[in-house]
Amino acid sequence: AQSVTQLGSHVSVSEGALVLLRCNYSSSVPPYLFWYVQYPNQGLQLLLKYTTGATLVKGINGFEAEFKKSETSFHLTKPSAHMSDAAEYFCAVSGGGTSYGKLTFGQGTILTVHP
Amino acid sequence: DSGVTQTPKHLITATGQRVTLRCSPRSGDLSVYWYQQSLDQGLQFLIQYYNGEERAKGNILERFSAQQFPDLHSELNLSSLELGDSALYFCASSGDRGPPYEQYFGPGTRLTVT
Repeated sequence: AQSVTQLGSHVSVSEGALVLLRCNYSSSVPPYLFWYVQYPNQGLQLLLKYTTGATLVKGINGFEAEFKKSETSFHLTKPSAHMSDAAEYFCAVSGGGTSYGKLTFGQGTILTVHP
Repeated sequence: DSGVTQTPKHLITATGQRVTLRCSPRSGDLSVYWYQQSLDQGLQFLIQYYNGEERAKGNILERFSAQQFPDLHSELNLSSLELGDSALYFCASSGDRGPPYEQYFGPGTRLTVT
């Protein structure tokens, strides 16, 4: 079975500050990890993904995430927050075998950016 | 725009009724996935179809069913609706070029059961 825990349902930062959204996963097989963003009244948009290889993954809109197997973590960061980053962010995991297609999501973190 | 379309955008219906949600995947994608997003359960995987056949099943109620047609569009049928079925239902699609099968999400159908 796989699971995802996102620490902090709400994160608030000032514009220009570092964004750090935390994600820990549990998987019995080598995981594929994803971060999605959801803007109000919209679907989910893929920010970045980890498959194999390089543990630091760069995504769209200046976001990146680092896969740390020893800590079972996949935290999302952005050096400088922008007002347009305000949204809900979801970490997700998928695994091997017949579970390739199924995404297991965390509960989401709402990011608020203050001027 | 992800290329995945869902209709209708909003649906309001009464308890006990039956509704059908429709999804058209991105051009060329063979897999379709359905997810339910609610305040208490979060985002939950319901079911996956690949080229017309059911491939994986998640927390889908027996009152719910889905199918994928030869033109690859998919429908999610919800019957004997209860207040607790009110949620946002997403469809996603992916290609088959090997894992991790990136999923592209549609805009969702918001179902309200009154």
